[in-house]
Amino acid sequence: GDSVTQMEGPVTLSEEAFLTINCTYTATGYPSLFWYVQYPGEGLQLLLKATKADDKGSNKGFEATYRKETTSFHLEKGSVQVSDSAVYFCALGGGRSNTGKLIFGQGTTLQVKP
Amino acid sequence: GAGVSQSPSNKVTEKGKDVELRCDPISGHTALYWYRQSLGQGLEFLIYFQGNSAPDKSGLPSDRFSAERTGGSVSTLTIQRTQQEDSAVYLCASSLDLAGGRDTQYFGPGTRLTVL
Repeated sequence: GDSVTQMEGPVTLSEEAFLTINCTYTATGYPSLFWYVQYPGEGLQLLLKATKADDKGSNKGFEATYRKETTSFHLEKGSVQVSDSAVYFCALGGGRSNTGKLIFGQGTTLQVKP
Repeated sequence: GAGVSQSPSNKVTEKGKDVELRCDPISGHTALYWYRQSLGQGLEFLIYFQGNSAPDKSGLPSDRFSAERTGGSVSTLTIQRTQQEDSAVYLCASSLDLAGGRDTQYFGPGTRLTVL
């Protein structure tokens, strides 16, 4: 079945450092790929999405490119801030083998220190 | 506009009791999903509604779990004879359901269930 694998955390960075959180997937069909973020004490929020191969999603300085050849959707940010500290979830939806449910990676905790 | 709302925000119950969790999706969203977030299992899909029907119930962990949706809007997740392993945050999400499951899902704040 479809699945998502994220790099394990926690990831600890200094402010203004470069961030990469790796995400790879296994899916049939043509799923959309998502990054959701969960700030401390808050609910899940969509950070960015991409709906087809080679699409780049971007928001709040974060970017991720849908790479079909490497089945990856790595999250990047050039300069992190303390306010980016949160748990980040990679997810896929709409592959041929599912009815729209999101399949999530295990989540990666990011802590940014001043 | 209003987002997805869930109630109660917190629920503490005793083992063996039944609980009902409510979800109000974004107006006009035909698809509604329930997920569970727990420390050991991460984020797990439970059930998907398209309108009032549930074409995918594959994530319900046992027959103690059931859900319904009425009027294509509000949904209730019921857990009968609760067990301690049911303790988790129950999340509801909704979407327009126009793109074969590839639409963005918008999440509610969740209901934190604690079974003593």
